[in-house]
Amino acid sequence: NAGVTQTPKFRILKIGQSMTLQCTQDMNHNYMYWYRQDPGMGLKLIYYSVGAGITDKGEVPNGYNVSRSTTEDFPLRLELAAPSQTSVYFCASSYSIPDYGYTFGSGTRLTVV
Amino acid sequence: DAKTTQPPSMDCAEGRAANLPCNHSTISGNEYVYWYRQIHSQGPQYIIHGLKNNETNEMASLIITEDRKSSTLILPHATLRDTAVYYCIVRGGMDSSYKLIFGSGTRLLVRP
Repeated sequence: NAGVTQTPKFRILKIGQSMTLQCTQDMNHNYMYWYRQDPGMGLKLIYYSVGAGITDKGEVPNGYNVSRSTTEDFPLRLELAAPSQTSVYFCASSYSIPDYGYTFGSGTRLTVV
Repeated sequence: DAKTTQPPSMDCAEGRAANLPCNHSTISGNEYVYWYRQIHSQGPQYIIHGLKNNETNEMASLIITEDRKSSTLILPHATLRDTAVYYCIVRGGMDSSYKLIFGSGTRLLVRP
C-alpha cells in the first residue's frame, strides 16, 4: 500500500500565483484532512472532508479551497499565494470511526516569495 | 473537543522509560485520547489511543486515570530514534468528523 501520497514535495511560488497541492490515498478511507505547520509550531487544520462531495472548514481556511470528487483524492487549492502561506502542508486520512488513527502523508514544503 | 495540556519539553536517558503526561480535565465520556509523534519534519505518526482502559501496543503503553482527566504515555525503553514532538489529543464525542486538533505537544529529547 502506498498510503497517503502528496505531490509535489517542494514548491516555490511567487506572490499572487496559484497552485494545487495534490493528495491521494489508497486505503479507502472516508475521512481526509489538510493541515499546515509553520516553523516551530503545531499543526493547524485547514479543511476536512467526511466523504466524496462533502467538505468543511477547519481552524485556518482563509486563502484555501478544497474539493472531494472521489474517495481517493482531496486536492488543496491556493489562489493568490501570499508570504503568510509559506508552510509545510500535510494531508491525512482515516476511517470514519474513532477506533483508528490517522495516516499522514510526507508533506509539501511551500515557500511563497 | 476537550483541551489538553502538556509540558513543553522533557528529556530522558537512552534505555530508560519515558513517561509523558497529559492533562485533559474537560474530557467528556465518549471522547478518546490519542497520542501522535512527529520526528523532525516528517508527517505525524499514530502511536496509540484509548477510551477508559489502559492500552499497550508494540510502540508504547497508555495509562488513563480512573476519572479520565489525565493520561500518561510510556515508552518503556527509549532510544535515540524516539526523540520527537509528542502530541496528546482528545477526539471524538459529538464531533462525528473525528478531526484532530493539535496543540503544542511535548518535545522529548532522548540523551545517549
